[in-house]
Amino acid sequence: AQKVTQAQTEISVVEKEDVTLDCVYETRDTTYYLFWYKQPPSGELVFLIRRNSFDEQNEISGRYSWNFQKSTSSFNFTITASQVVDSAVYFCALSEVKDYKLSFGAGTTVTVRA
Amino acid sequence: EPEVTQTPSHQVTQMGQEVILRCVPISNHLYFYWYRQILGQKVEFLVSFYNNEISEKSEIFDDQFSVERPDGSNFTLKIRSTKLEDSAMYFCASRIGQLNTEAFFGQGTRLTVV
Repeated sequence: AQKVTQAQTEISVVEKEDVTLDCVYETRDTTYYLFWYKQPPSGELVFLIRRNSFDEQNEISGRYSWNFQKSTSSFNFTITASQVVDSAVYFCALSEVKDYKLSFGAGTTVTVRA
Repeated sequence: EPEVTQTPSHQVTQMGQEVILRCVPISNHLYFYWYRQILGQKVEFLVSFYNNEISEKSEIFDDQFSVERPDGSNFTLKIRSTKLEDSAMYFCASRIGQLNTEAFFGQGTRLTVV
């Protein structure tokens, strides 16, 4: 069974600080996909990034970057120069090729203070 | 930009009543999902739907629940004989169907059973 663990429950930072969110996953599949979603106070789920299991290249997209390490089953996410609008719950999720359903972690609440 | 639309945004129902949650997925998407998020908890998979039939369902998705795609655009979740513990945010999601693609979520329907 697939499982996603987000050990950090809450993170509070001051604006312009960097925030790194940890995610560890478990799966028996060799092909899978990893995602980060953002849930702002308004409640919707917003897709942020996706990564394939066969592509460990780390990338930067604007203020977002991620560090995918298959050897440690980790998929960490960083927000650079945080802003108040980044305040939200961030969910890491895993999907396997068999059914593409998403298994979510428990989420990390990020609070960015002005 | 195409989006998944859910109605209503909030529904209050009496215990024992039936509710129908409606979703309009993105038009060229082929895979449809319902997820549930009890307040303060993680997002949980309920059911996936493809080619006019359920492709997978979770343990939560028992006989109380059913899904339907009555026409080419709507995707509904019916909850019969609602219970207090059915109170949650229900998210509809759709995916285009090709490999390596993310699911796009609607804004959610907050169901309150009283």
